[in-house]
Amino acid sequence: NAGVTQTPKFRVLKTGQSMTLLCAQDMNHEYMYWYRQDPGMGLRLIHYSVGEGTTAKGEVPDGYNVSRLKKQNFLLGLESAAPSQTSVYFCASSYNEGGFPDTQYFGPGTRLTVL
Amino acid sequence: GNSVTQMEGPVTLSEEAFLTINCTYTATGYPSLFWYVQYPGEGLQLLLKATKADDKGSNKGFEATYRKETTSFHLEKGSVQVSDSAVYFCALSDPGRGSTLGRLYFGRGTQLTVWP
Repeated sequence: NAGVTQTPKFRVLKTGQSMTLLCAQDMNHEYMYWYRQDPGMGLRLIHYSVGEGTTAKGEVPDGYNVSRLKKQNFLLGLESAAPSQTSVYFCASSYNEGGFPDTQYFGPGTRLTVL
Repeated sequence: GNSVTQMEGPVTLSEEAFLTINCTYTATGYPSLFWYVQYPGEGLQLLLKATKADDKGSNKGFEATYRKETTSFHLEKGSVQVSDSAVYFCALSDPGRGSTLGRLYFGRGTQLTVWP
């Protein structure tokens, strides 16, 4: 049971390049989330998904897109990277407890630098 | 709206000292409250949680009590160890339905360093 895994662990991009971050979970969780962590800001929600084939915007969605084609995977895309997207990205998942999402489990993070 | 305010760090303590990290919240409805811990280079791990007023969450010697009257969820530990050095995040889970269901709102984090 690997829990929540993220690929890659580190990445350096140039402004304008694109990339996709992959999150995978093997706990059969319904809900999945993408956060970014910046110094002194805590974690901020980018996008989330309440089930396969569904996505929704979070607090800071601009410049990002997501897809949830399979229940176990949640992809975060940057179409045209900007220096402001330099951050550490965390994926999380949670299961459905009586119709409400329960505790969120986090991946180890992806450190992204945009030059 | 929903928000979490926690004491700013860094907090530096000697081993076996008493720890308190303050956390207060603003929420619509009745949220669940969490403390997450982040060790260097790792993701966040759930430390403890409480789902209703007066509940006490506890784990690894840490405790926090959900105080509705003071809208607080302060983290305490009676005797810290060097291995407790980490960043601690207070968070609340949106109790609403629809688009905000289950969303976590985090405080900015408090860095704790424990010296031997």
